[in-house]
Amino acid sequence: LAKTTQPPSMEAYEGQEVNVSCSHTNIATSEYIYWYRQVPHQGPQFIIQGYKDYVVNEVASLFISADRKLSTLSLPWVSLRDAAVYYCIVTDIGSWQLIFGSGTQLTVMP
Amino acid sequence: EAAVTQSPRNKVAVTGGKVTLSCNQTNNHNNMYWYRQDTGHGLRLIHYSYGAGSTEKGDIPDGYKASRPSQENFSLILELATPSQTSVYFCASGRTGGAGAETLYFGSGTRLTVL
Repeated sequence: LAKTTQPPSMEAYEGQEVNVSCSHTNIATSEYIYWYRQVPHQGPQFIIQGYKDYVVNEVASLFISADRKLSTLSLPWVSLRDAAVYYCIVTDIGSWQLIFGSGTQLTVMP
Repeated sequence: EAAVTQSPRNKVAVTGGKVTLSCNQTNNHNNMYWYRQDTGHGLRLIHYSYGAGSTEKGDIPDGYKASRPSQENFSLILELATPSQTSVYFCASGRTGGAGAETLYFGSGTRLTVL
C-alpha cells in the first residue's frame, strides 16, 4: 500500500478556501485516493474519492496531479464546523482495509 | 443516511476483566471493522469481517477477539482487559461497489478505560 504524507496542521479563517495537500509518491495504478475527516468525539466521515484528474461533490473538490503522486483536497468557504482532522488514504480497488495515518489538523478561526 | 451504532459510549473496566464492545449497522453492508484510536497513532485496524460468521485479523489483533453473529452485529471482545487497551474504539461498516474501494461509515466511538 502507498504511504501518504500530509502537513500535520493548517489554519484558516472562516470564509476562506482551504487546500490540503497529500503526497503519495509510490501510488500504484490499482490504487484510489480517499479523503475522510474526523471531528472530536466522532468517527471519521467520508468526504470524497478519486482516481485521476478532478472530482467534485457537494462538500469538496479533489485535484489529482497528472502523475497521480500528489492530490489536493479543496474546501470552499470553510466554517467553524470544518475544523477537523483530514485524512488522505490511498488504497487498492477492492481492498478490505483503509489505513489511516496521522492526518492534517485544520483549525478554523472566526 | 448510513447508520452505525456503538454501545456503550463509555466503559470503565478493571484489569483482568472481560469487556464486550457492541456494534450494530442498519446499512446492510457486508463488511465491518473495529479500529482503535490513540493519540499519535491515528486509527489502527484490530479485526474485520466480510460477512456473518467471518472474522479476520487486522494489524493489531493481539488481546482482542471478534464475533460477527449476523449481518448487522459485530462485537469486539477483550477477554482479559489490560490498561494498555485503554483507548477509543470505532466500529465501521463498508460496502464495495462502483469505482474504487470501500466507503466506510463509522460509529461515534466507545471510550474504554481499563484501571
